[in-house]
Amino acid sequence: EDKVVQSPLSLVVHEGDTVTLNCSYEVTNFRSLLWYKQEKKAPTFLFMLTSSGIEKKSGRLSSILDKKELFSILNITATQTGDSAIYLCAVERNTNAGKSTFGDGTTLTVKP
Amino acid sequence: KAGVTQTPRYLIKTRGQQVTLSCSPISGHRSVSWYQQTPGQGLQFLFEYFSETQRNKGNFPGRFSGRQFSNSRSEMNVSTLELGDSALYLCASSLQTGMTEAFFGQGTRLTVV
Repeated sequence: EDKVVQSPLSLVVHEGDTVTLNCSYEVTNFRSLLWYKQEKKAPTFLFMLTSSGIEKKSGRLSSILDKKELFSILNITATQTGDSAIYLCAVERNTNAGKSTFGDGTTLTVKP
Repeated sequence: KAGVTQTPRYLIKTRGQQVTLSCSPISGHRSVSWYQQTPGQGLQFLFEYFSETQRNKGNFPGRFSGRQFSNSRSEMNVSTLELGDSALYLCASSLQTGMTEAFFGQGTRLTVV
């Protein structure tokens, strides 16, 4: 059974802080790891990672994958109140692609 | 271009009833995946349809079923509703099977009383 564990489950920071969210996984025949941000209802896509050691960046957000140690981190620098959301990590297999497994998410609260 | 549209947005049903939820994917997207999200269980995969065929299925009882039409619109049905079926049901669409460049709808909030 595929498994995705995110930590911490929740985090409260102040604007301007830098945060690191963690995602570890166990999956047979790994294809990709995905990060989503969920503010109200619809999760929005952030990153898809397939190769180890290559950082993906989008503004203040960045993410990297370690396929040897089976984890990924999502970094957010200079946090803003608009970053408050649930951050979801998911993994996909090569076989049964489409049957993704999500972690429980990290709830980030950024206080002014 | 229009996003993923789910209807209805909110629904209240009583135990034992059945419900049908609808998902219209982004134009051109052929893959539709369904997820159940609850506070205790997180986001759990229900099933994926691609070109009218169910490609993958999660670990849910047979009361949960779905289908996809030739225009890629998808419906999911839950029969004999239980209190534990109360959840946010999300669908995601993508061009190809899998979550690459998948876009989620706003979800249907189902409450079973």
